[in-house]
Amino acid sequence: SQTIHQWPATLVQPVGSPLSLECTVEGTSNPNLYWYRQAAGRGLQLLFYSVGIGQISSEVPQNLSASRPQDRQFILSSKKLLLSDSGFYLCAWKVWGTNTEAFFGQGTRLTVV
Amino acid sequence: KQEVTQIPAALSVPEGENLVLNCSFTDSAIYNLQWFRQDPGKGLTSLLLIQSSQREQTSGRLNASLDKSSGRSTLYIAASQPGDSATYLCAVRPTGNQFYFGTGTSLTVIP
Repeated sequence: SQTIHQWPATLVQPVGSPLSLECTVEGTSNPNLYWYRQAAGRGLQLLFYSVGIGQISSEVPQNLSASRPQDRQFILSSKKLLLSDSGFYLCAWKVWGTNTEAFFGQGTRLTVV
Repeated sequence: KQEVTQIPAALSVPEGENLVLNCSFTDSAIYNLQWFRQDPGKGLTSLLLIQSSQREQTSGRLNASLDKSSGRSTLYIAASQPGDSATYLCAVRPTGNQFYFGTGTSLTVIP
């Protein structure tokens, strides 16, 4: 069966520090991968998605970047965090090229102080 | 760009009631629509997926319907229980790889 892992679960970082959040998927190949952010009192905003290794599409301009160095690994990064980067970050995957369900990780709560 | 709206934003009902959550979207050209549940501080759990060619899907006490032409979906929860308390989100997948979420309905079922 397929599983998705996201870590860390919580993170407190000072303004200006770097960020690296990791997401990995097991039990499938060539998944579509997604990063979403959920800010307090707001809906889920799509940040990045990837349909293959090294292929990243960005939905909104921001202080963050994403990379997919391996087929089932998706990394969200920042060189210098801003206060506005605080939020709940969720990774998701779905089977590539199909009309099937999307599945989510348990999320990372990021607080920038 | 697809806009997804969920009404009401919050709902409180006594245990045992049947209830309906609403989701509307602006562009009817979609591949599918998916309903999720989110418990506080947790990730999303998939509840039901409806393909664009389908009218409804059922899982246990949950029934989701889709009227693509009018840009609407409903999630019906029968005989609500306190354990159903959570935020319910709908997500629409347009003709691409992305999917877009509504802002959710926060449901509280009172014992």
